[in-house]
Amino acid sequence: QITLKESGPTLVKPTQTLTLTCTFSGFSLSTSGVGVGWIRQPPGKALEWLALIYWNDDKRYSPSLKSRLTITKDTSKNQVVLTVTNMDPVDTATYYCAHISAVTRGYYNYYAMDVWGQGTTVTVSS
Amino acid sequence: DIQMTQSPSSLSASVGDRVTITCRASQTISSYLNWYQQKPGKAPKLLIYAASSLQSGVPSRFSGSGSGTDFTLTISSLQPEDSATYYCQQSYSTFTFGPGTKVDVK
Repeated sequence: QITLKESGPTLVKPTQTLTLTCTFSGFSLSTSGVGVGWIRQPPGKALEWLALIYWNDDKRYSPSLKSRLTITKDTSKNQVVLTVTNMDPVDTATYYCAHISAVTRGYYNYYAMDVWGQGTTVTVSS
Repeated sequence: DIQMTQSPSSLSASVGDRVTITCRASQTISSYLNWYQQKPGKAPKLLIYAASSLQSGVPSRFSGSGSGTDFTLTISSLQPEDSATYYCQQSYSTFTFGPGTKVDVK
């Protein structure tokens, strides 16, 4: 059974750096085809994909936030860490991590976020 | 960047109704399209992947279709527990979510 859980501060001040940890079980991030992604959702708004990291350490970022994001993994600890620099009140949101799996059909891999953490709420305020 | 749009933004329908939600991509994405259901205060749940494949454990009243730029999610017989917001997501080039469609069951 795959589970993921986000952890980190609930309140950060503007300009500070946010560090979130996703601790998972039931899979290994050294297994081919597997990834972990981060997604956020401001109150009452839509989901926004932020970043992902794959088993081979391939990292991808949302173009609109790329300069502020860093994603890393610690395979031995079953953790993925996301840092967001220069936090602003508009970054107030629930932050989720999710397991990314691939289904192979012929020559193509179809990726989806099939298991999600419960989310952690982060408020940015002075 | 690939942009996703959804229509309608919200709808209200009765139990037993057939409901269709449309998702459009700003460029062709083949079948790299997923659908999620999110209930208030909960994490999203994967319903459909690769445009038309039903995720394990998801009721068969949910179905997906489409390819290229236009996709649909259909609920064949709406149930009270289907009240939620539904998001499409492209996985052709990293990921992008649509703005969501809120479904209210009368």
